Amino acid sequence: AQSVTQLDSHVSVSEGTPVLLRCNYSSSYSPSLFWYVQHPNKGLQLLLKYTSAATLVKGINGFEAEFKKSETSFHLTKPSAHMSDAAEYFCVVSVGSSGSARQLTFGSGTQLTVLP
Amino acid sequence: DADVTQTPRNRITKTGKRIMLECSQTKGHDRMYWYRQDPGLGLRLIYYSFDVKDINKGEISDGYSVSRQAQAKFSLSLESAIPNQTALYFCATSDSWGSRYEQYFGPGTRLTVT
Repeated sequence: AQSVTQLDSHVSVSEGTPVLLRCNYSSSYSPSLFWYVQHPNKGLQLLLKYTSAATLVKGINGFEAEFKKSETSFHLTKPSAHMSDAAEYFCVVSVGSSGSARQLTFGSGTQLTVLP
Repeated sequence: DADVTQTPRNRITKTGKRIMLECSQTKGHDRMYWYRQDPGLGLRLIYYSFDVKDINKGEISDGYSVSRQAQAKFSLSLESAIPNQTALYFCATSDSWGSRYEQYFGPGTRLTVT
């Protein structure tokens, strides 16, 4: 079984300060990990993904995440928040071999507020 | 033009009514999915389809049915809607390698059952 826990339901930062959104996962096998972002009244957009290549993954809009197997974590960071980063962020885990019924398991989401 | 479209975008219906949500995609993907989103619960998988002849139940399929009319179309039906089916519904697609690669999401359908 696989699961993912987003440790903060809400995070508030000031514009220009760093962003840290925390995610821990549980998986019996080597996982693929994703971060998606959802802006108000929009669908989900992929920010970045880890699929067993480099452990530090760079995504769009200046976001990056580091896969730490020993800590079972995949935290999302950005050096400097922008007002347009205000959205809900989902950490997602997927396990299973190629061609099998791989499914995504979503975290409960972290709402990021960026203060002026 | 959007790669994954959903209709309607918003719907209010009454308890007991039958309702269908539709999803179309132009990405050429063979895999399609239906999720529902509830506050504080993330997205949960309702049904998924790996091709036109393959339909599978997800985590929360009770009260729902689906139809894969073509590779590009995947519809979700609520045969007799109930208030706790009020939620935001998303359709998604992926290629044959499944979720090792990302899923592409539609804009969502907000359904309210009164």
